[in-house]
This record gives sequence, C-alpha cells and structure tokens, in this order.
Amino acid sequence: QKEVEQNSGPLSVPEGAIASLNCTYSDRGSQSFFWYRQYSGKSPELIMFIYSNGDKEDGRFTAQLNKASQYVSLLIRDSQPSDSATYLCAAAGWGGADGLTFGKGTHLIIQP
Amino acid sequence: DGGITQSPKYLFRKEGQNVTLSCEQNLNHDAMYWYRQDPGQGLRLIYYSQIVNDFQKGDIAEGYSVSREKKESFPLTVTSAQKNPTAFYLCASSETGENYGYTFGSGTRLTVV
Repeated sequence: QKEVEQNSGPLSVPEGAIASLNCTYSDRGSQSFFWYRQYSGKSPELIMFIYSNGDKEDGRFTAQLNKASQYVSLLIRDSQPSDSATYLCAAAGWGGADGLTFGKGTHLIIQP
Repeated sequence: DGGITQSPKYLFRKEGQNVTLSCEQNLNHDAMYWYRQDPGQGLRLIYYSQIVNDFQKGDIAEGYSVSREKKESFPLTVTSAQKNPTAFYLCASSETGENYGYTFGSGTRLTVV
C-alpha cells in the first residue's frame, strides 16, 4: 500500500517568516513528487513538482527531495497571509499516468 | 483558455439513485482521473484512464463507474451501491512523461438527501 504522510497541523507561522512543510512516503518506487495548495472549498492548485534529489526553487517556494530518506519538503519564504491554506503532498510512479497518491495535507496559518 | 470543466458544482442525490458527474477537458491531455475528498482527508483515487476506451480502478472504485468514449470527456457515475457518497469529487487530467503536471477541475460537491 502506497502511503504519503504529512503532519495535519495546524502549523502557525508569523508573517514574513519561513514556513516549512514536510512529507514522507512509503513507496521507494515513487519517482516524482508534487506540492499542491488547496483553499477551503476549492480544488488543489499545483505549486511545484520535483523528481531529482536536492533543491528546486521557484520564487518564494523551494522544494527539497531526499530519496534515500524518502522525504520531501516545501519551504515558503517571506510568508504572506494569502499563503494560509492546506498544502497537499503527492507522490507518483514514473510517468505518473496511474495516478497520484496524496497525503492528508498540512493546514498552514500565516499570522499577520 | 484551456482547462477542465466539472459540472454541476453542487449535486444532491436521493437514496437509491444513480447520478453522473461530468468532466470535460480541452488541454489535449491523454490521462484523466477521478478523486474523492472527504473532510480532513487527502484525495483518494477512484478511477483513471490513460487512453480512450480504456480505464483502470483506483483505490476506492466500488460503487462507481466511468467511461472514456472521447479523449476530452471522462464522466463518473455514482451508483446506488456506493453507500457513503457524500464527498467532494475532483476530476484531473495530465500529460504523460517526465514533464507532466496534473490539472484539476473546480470540483463537484455531492450530498445525499
């Protein structure tokens, strides 16, 4: 059974600080990893994906992948109140056409 | 603009009724997916299709059925055999290969009355 684990939170971070979100996965065959942001009552929006060990940066967001430890993280720099949402981590096999396995999400609150 | 359209946004089902949720995409994506989300839960895969006229069961396919007669369309039927259908249903599509990304529709909220 493929599993993706996340701390459900809530994770409370002051505005302007760095928010750190973590995720572990059970299937060593997983090749690619995704971070989605979901506002209450809305559908998930893709923030980033990563498939190579190391860091990948996109604006205020940095995804980190460590396949040896089966660990994925997302850093949000200069956190804004609009970043308050649930963040979903997902894992996929090669090509990803057989569907993503999602974690339950971490609820992030940015305090003004 | 390309995207995925789900309809209706809200749907009410009576006990014993079958209902069909629509999902249409104009992104020319080969693969399409149906997920279910319950409060405080992650997304769980119901069915997926990698090509027209072919589809596979996901983790929670019991009580659901799908068809893929056209590349653009992947409707989901929630049958009366699904005993707890109240949930938020999300359709997604993707390209296949290394640079794929999943695009989600806006979702259908189904409630049993």
